[in-house]
Amino acid sequence: EVQVVESGGDLEKPGGSLRLSCVVSGVTFSNTWMSWVRQAPGKGLEWVGRIKSKRDGETADYAAPVKGRFTITRDDSYNTVYLQMNSLKTEDTAVYYCATEYYYDLRRWGQGTLVTVSS
Amino acid sequence: DIVMTQTPLSSPVTLGQPASISCRSSQSLVRSDGNTYLSWLQQRPGQPPRLLIYKISNRVSGVPDRFSGSGAGTDFTLRINRVEAEDVGVYYCMQASQFPPYTFGQGTRLEI
Repeated sequence: EVQVVESGGDLEKPGGSLRLSCVVSGVTFSNTWMSWVRQAPGKGLEWVGRIKSKRDGETADYAAPVKGRFTITRDDSYNTVYLQMNSLKTEDTAVYYCATEYYYDLRRWGQGTLVTVSS
Repeated sequence: DIVMTQTPLSSPVTLGQPASISCRSSQSLVRSDGNTYLSWLQQRPGQPPRLLIYKISNRVSGVPDRFSGSGAGTDFTLRINRVEAEDVGVYYCMQASQFPPYTFGQGTRLEI
């Protein structure tokens, strides 16, 4: 069974940094694309970014609101994808979900981790 | 960016009765490879989203067959042919044909 587990969410001040982690099991992680999606309190879903597998170039794409501030990386030896978030803003407050991606479908989602940006 | 518009935003339903949700995209979702990457996700209260349907009409393994998807181009529909209590939640359409970014509809709240 595929399992996706996020961690690293916390309370951080505006301008600060956080790194989220997402561990995946039950799939061949090295061949799996991974996406991050966030959900602000009481709001809908917003795609944050995606990293392809190493064999597909390990390139990352980002949504405009986070481009230049957030970075997605992966470590296939640990079946883990990371979301490095810098220059945090209050509007980054959200539950951050990690999801496996299969041919542009977000197949399996984790339970999410809460990031709160507040002074 | 492609804008996804769902209607209605809220749908009161009766158990055992059908329900449908519409999703319209601001541009055609037919990708250069001939596929249309339109999916539907369900988010039950307090839960993460769950993929129900991908590429317009393909049900994910384990999803009840009372859920079906249809449509083409810019207009898509999710149908539930007999609503059950466990179907309560928010439903999102999502496009991945033109990216970045992937974009979601605003969500439709299904309530009994």
